[in-house]
Amino acid sequence: QSALTQPASVSGSPGQSITISCTGTSSDVGGYNSVSWYQQHPGKAPKLMIYDVSNRPSGVSNRFSGSKSGNTASLTISGLQAEDEADYYCYSYTSSSTGVFGGGTKLTVL
Amino acid sequence: EVQLLESGGGLVQPGGSLRLSCAASGFTFSLYALSWVRQAPGKGLEWVSDISGSGDTTYYADSVKGRFTISRDNTKNTLFLQMNSLRAEDTAVYYCAKRISTWLVSDPLNVWGQGTMVTVSS
Repeated sequence: QSALTQPASVSGSPGQSITISCTGTSSDVGGYNSVSWYQQHPGKAPKLMIYDVSNRPSGVSNRFSGSKSGNTASLTISGLQAEDEADYYCYSYTSSSTGVFGGGTKLTVL
Repeated sequence: EVQLLESGGGLVQPGGSLRLSCAASGFTFSLYALSWVRQAPGKGLEWVSDISGSGDTTYYADSVKGRFTISRDNTKNTLFLQMNSLRAEDTAVYYCAKRISTWLVSDPLNVWGQGTMVTVSS
């Protein structure tokens, strides 16, 4: 199972919005709503930010939102803040009953 | 507070074995599917394995199938990962994580441990 495709890096200024894409196939992202997004700061464990494509866990800022179209899922962060600078990973269930992460995207807040 | 604490990592020679443990607290352990996820140095996350709450259903990534075995002891609230025939490419931080409900693999991982480092080298 190949990793889902994410841009290696994105950047934005404080207050701006950015979107991170996550492209898979009809056997993973496109076939299921079991897409989630994780934030990871350096040296820390990942944190769940979005699940089931567009749902936010309790305690996660509403500046984070998710969506999906076809085989591509997206994470949008609005009103960028310095503490949003981190690595972001998408994850999807697959038709083989396995899981697959994206390669990760480094977000830089300028 | 829901917590997961991994242990058992270390340095092992290629071809060797290692058993990781993950002690859980703060939730009804047997009700939730659990996972192992690893991260090679400077690389991204890789899903490794899942186990059902009862322990009777397991899934593995192709990269570890036949070499790694996931198991759990619901009487001791502990998750395990037995790793055999270790290779250099298994070098990574290994995280245990809890699924949000009973559904293996498809459910999101809402609680993560801090990870334990495994280094495979001669």
